[in-house]
Amino acid sequence: GAGVSQSPSNKVTEKGKDVELRCDPISGHTALYWYRQSLGQGLEFLIYFQGNSAPDKSGLPSDRFSAERTGGSVSTLTIQRTQQEDSAVYLCASSRIQGNEQYFGPGTRLTVT
Amino acid sequence: DQQVKQNSPSLSVQEGRISILNCDYTNSMFDYFLWYKKYPAEGPTFLISISSIKDKNEDGRFTVFLNKSAKHLSLHIVPSQPGDSAVYFCAASAPGAGSYQLTFGKGTKLSVIP
Repeated sequence: GAGVSQSPSNKVTEKGKDVELRCDPISGHTALYWYRQSLGQGLEFLIYFQGNSAPDKSGLPSDRFSAERTGGSVSTLTIQRTQQEDSAVYLCASSRIQGNEQYFGPGTRLTVT
Repeated sequence: DQQVKQNSPSLSVQEGRISILNCDYTNSMFDYFLWYKKYPAEGPTFLISISSIKDKNEDGRFTVFLNKSAKHLSLHIVPSQPGDSAVYFCAASAPGAGSYQLTFGKGTKLSVIP
């Protein structure tokens, strides 16, 4: 079956612009996660959705970051007024239930110039 | 404060030999550990996991060992194959409400030399 998909695969944007990153989880997976990986670092947890609700937003680095999920499926991560330190690979994952093995998408490489 | 540490950024192993990737953790609340494998331009792929009630889990060529007293786990790949060349991430989670949040190490790049 289809895995987790993310779009775009690459995004170059100017500092100060807003960006939207999209994630399509595996069908039937109720839990969805966003991570980011900066150069030379491990994956950093950002936010988790159970259905359309985000019980824990504590990993979002600043109030410029927000995320939503609709219909228990697609999720969008929005970064407003991008900064150069936002440059990273943003990864989305999904799982059947909370705490189960997470399946990752290929990521969106964001470059802020 | 890094709660999951992979102290070796890279490892080279001859094809057919054993690869041993190590991971240390500091949070004693962690009770579930996973290894992910990542190829360039792809997302991490789940490889193998172990619960803290076990000290070993095996799946084909891959075995994960857990030493709770030392807060240390390792992934053994035997025999190593060139297709195993990738970055390997160790991850951990705590029970209860935080079980969704995986804490990752920085990864170890494994190169298997033909």
